[in-house]
Amino acid sequence: AQSVAQPEDQVNVAEGNPLTVKCTYSVSGNPYLFWYVQYPNRGLQFLLKYITGDNLVKGSYGFEAEFNKSQTSFHLKKPSALVSDSALYFCAVRGVKTNSNSGYALNFGKGTSLLVTP
Amino acid sequence: DVKVTQSSRYLVKRTGEKVFLECVQDMDHENMFWYRQDPGLGLRLIYFSYDVKMKEKGDIPEGYSVSREKKERFSLILESASTNQTSMYLCASSKREFEQYFGPGTRLTVT
Repeated sequence: AQSVAQPEDQVNVAEGNPLTVKCTYSVSGNPYLFWYVQYPNRGLQFLLKYITGDNLVKGSYGFEAEFNKSQTSFHLKKPSALVSDSALYFCAVRGVKTNSNSGYALNFGKGTSLLVTP
Repeated sequence: DVKVTQSSRYLVKRTGEKVFLECVQDMDHENMFWYRQDPGLGLRLIYFSYDVKMKEKGDIPEGYSVSREKKERFSLILESASTNQTSMYLCASSKREFEQYFGPGTRLTVT
């Protein structure tokens, strides 16, 4: 089954420092990987995705993610964290089709809470 | 911009009541999804639909049913609400092969 794991429940970083939120994946075939962010009492917002191509993917709000096939990882990064980046971050992988007409669901990790302190 | 709306932000129901959660998207997306979100468990897929009247069970369909009579609308039904269905419910939609867009969520409390 297609799955992702987020090994850290919480990441703390000081404002202005680089941040990394980790994600590893387990798939059969080529992975389609996503990052989402959730601010308090809000739905999830799409940040970026990796389908194919460059291993460094750029997304919204200055975030980027690095796809590493040998390490089966897809870590989210930002060069300089902001207090407003504090939120819950979810990594996800596209699932498999159950029949030829159906779409794809996403399988989400458990989420990582990012806290950026001033 | 894609817009996914959910009928209620907060809902309080009693045990045994029938509960309807409505989701509407305005981007002509084929796929629509219902998830529940619980602390420490992340998002778990309840049901999804890839076309009108078509549905697929997700990871945790027990106690839930869904309805998709029109392309833009996807309803989640709790036939007889129970306290263990207290949760945040998130609806999402997507074009067939692409990323999902989420609504704001409905926080359901069953007492």
